[in-house]
Amino acid sequence: AQSVTQPDIHITVSEGASLELRCNYSYGATPYLFWYVQSPGQGLQLLLKYFSGDTLVQGIKGFEAEFKRSQSSFNLRKPSVHWSDAAEYFCAVGKAGGGNKLTFGTGTQLKVEL
Amino acid sequence: EAGVAQSPRYKIIEKRQSVAFWCNPISGHATLYWYQQILGQGPKLLIQFQNNGVVDDSQLPKDRFSAERLKGVDSTLKIQPAKLEDSAVYLCASSTSGTSAGQFFGPGTRLTVL
Repeated sequence: AQSVTQPDIHITVSEGASLELRCNYSYGATPYLFWYVQSPGQGLQLLLKYFSGDTLVQGIKGFEAEFKRSQSSFNLRKPSVHWSDAAEYFCAVGKAGGGNKLTFGTGTQLKVEL
Repeated sequence: EAGVAQSPRYKIIEKRQSVAFWCNPISGHATLYWYQQILGQGPKLLIQFQNNGVVDDSQLPKDRFSAERLKGVDSTLKIQPAKLEDSAVYLCASSTSGTSAGQFFGPGTRLTVL
């Protein structure tokens, strides 16, 4: 069965600092990988997704993520964090040919210090 | 383009009462999902529809939860009777057909069972 691990429950960074959120997945074949962001009281917004090809994918709001098959990882990065980036971030894995079914990690809560 | 709409946004009920949630997906999206998100956890898929047919309901507690998607557009999720552990945010999402399509989420309904 597919699974996702987000080892950091909470992360605090200063505004303007760089950010990396970790995501490790377990899946027997090539996964489809996603990062979503959830602001308080809101639904999830898709930041970026990886299906194939270039292992470095660009998303919205200046985020990027790199797929590393050898490490089963799909870490999310941003060079300079803004206070408005404070939110909860979820990594998700989908199954190729699996009809869009996603398995989510438990999320990482990002706090930005001014 | 209008997003996924959900109502109500908040609901408080007593245990053993019944409750229903409504979702209107993005126009043209054939696939509709209901997720349960318990505080501190990632969303968990309850049921997935393709048009008006059920694709996956393996994690739906069928003794108390039911869902329908008449005419392949709007959907309703019902809980009867509710238990304390049903307190959660219920998220609706939709997507176009195809494995690579990302899912678009509504704002969710926060259910509190007392």
